[in-house]
Amino acid sequence: EVQLVESGGGLVQPGRSLKLSCVASGFTFSNYGMNWIRQAPGKGLEWVAYISSGSSYIYYAETVKGRFTISRDNAKNTLYLQMTSLRSEDTALYYCARRAMGIDYWGQGVMVTVSS
Amino acid sequence: DVVMTQTPVSLSVAIGQPASISCKSSQSLVGTSGKTYLNWLLQRPGQSPKRLIYLVSKLDSGIPDRFSGSGSETDFTLKISRVEADDLGVYYCLQGTHFPDTFGAGTKLELK
Repeated sequence: EVQLVESGGGLVQPGRSLKLSCVASGFTFSNYGMNWIRQAPGKGLEWVAYISSGSSYIYYAETVKGRFTISRDNAKNTLYLQMTSLRSEDTALYYCARRAMGIDYWGQGVMVTVSS
Repeated sequence: DVVMTQTPVSLSVAIGQPASISCKSSQSLVGTSGKTYLNWLLQRPGQSPKRLIYLVSKLDSGIPDRFSGSGSETDFTLKISRVEADDLGVYYCLQGTHFPDTFGAGTKLELK
């Protein structure tokens, strides 16, 4: 069974940093590209970042480019999102999601709240 | 970025009745491989999204055949032949043909 389990969220002040993790199981993690997608409270889904299976290709949404860094450790089956210079508009539920024929599996999400 | 325009915003349907949701893209979703990476997702209240359909019309494992997807190029439709209580939530279309992946704004399905 494919499982994606995010962690690392919480309440953080504007301008500070936070690092999210997503541990994958139930599939060969190193074979798949992965996404971070977020959902602000009561809002729709917004793609944040993508990393290819071998980390050769990395893309970011314009809203986070230069502030967020996506990475992965295939030996640990783990996806990361380093978030810096956080803003109130980054407040959202962050999902890691596997990219296959679109996006096929989603984690349960981890909440990030940016507030003073 | 590809804009995905989803209608209606909300839908009120009685149990056992059909439902239909439209999704239009700002450009063709046919990729260089000839495949069209159009997904339909359902997000039930308090849950993460779950994919129902991929490649326009292929049902994911375990998805009942009450759900069907159709369309081509820029115009796509999700149909539920007979709505059940478990179908309530927000439906999203998602295109994965062009980077970045983009989503429709969602259609909230409620019970009448």
